[in-house]
Amino acid sequence: AQKITQTQPGMFVQEKEAVTLDCTYDTSDPSYGLFWYKQPSSGEMIFLIYQGSYDQQNATEGRYSLNFQKARKSANLVISASQLGDSAMYFCAMREGNQAGTALIFGKGTTLSVSS
Amino acid sequence: GAVVSQHPSRVICKSGTSVKIECRSLDFQATTMFWYRQFPKQSLMLMATSNEGSKATYEQGVEKDKFLINHASLTLSTLTVTSAHPEDSSFYICSARSQTIGAEQYFGPGTRLTVT
Repeated sequence: AQKITQTQPGMFVQEKEAVTLDCTYDTSDPSYGLFWYKQPSSGEMIFLIYQGSYDQQNATEGRYSLNFQKARKSANLVISASQLGDSAMYFCAMREGNQAGTALIFGKGTTLSVSS
Repeated sequence: GAVVSQHPSRVICKSGTSVKIECRSLDFQATTMFWYRQFPKQSLMLMATSNEGSKATYEQGVEKDKFLINHASLTLSTLTVTSAHPEDSSFYICSARSQTIGAEQYFGPGTRLTVT
């Protein structure tokens, strides 16, 4: 079974509008971390936001917020006030446990296109 | 934030030759580094986990004799693609996590390998 599921291959949004990118995860480990990364066409992986499984509040970083619903095992990324520069591939990822030696596992990604 | 560098950023080689890719953590020590491969429009797939001073751990389906990993110091891991073939053409990304900075996993800018 897939650990990280992103069901939206592509999303389209107009400038200044908000957009939600979906992510569901599967783990039996009570300690885990959820990440969102942005990958523009240059290929670099840009860290956006992190949510720990024990965090009581939803994570926020500027225009990015993570809608963490633990019982549903979902960790959707909300981008408010979209900008043209937000057009990129977005990946949801999970790390099970909290050891430095545990890798991130990625979803298939969602391509976001922002139009003017 | 912490920086991970990769060298080279792009490489073109002939079929049958070997290529070495370097991954360095510039301002932190990383006992563990991760190597991912990404085909166009696809997700990052974990190839192996590189451990300083010991053998790398390879994911299922990744040939350890073809993708040689050496993690000789706390700031350097290398991936050597031996006897490269056109199907090895891909985007290779390394990643590392600081033991002291926090939960974030830092990514290098990636190396685009083209085998002709």
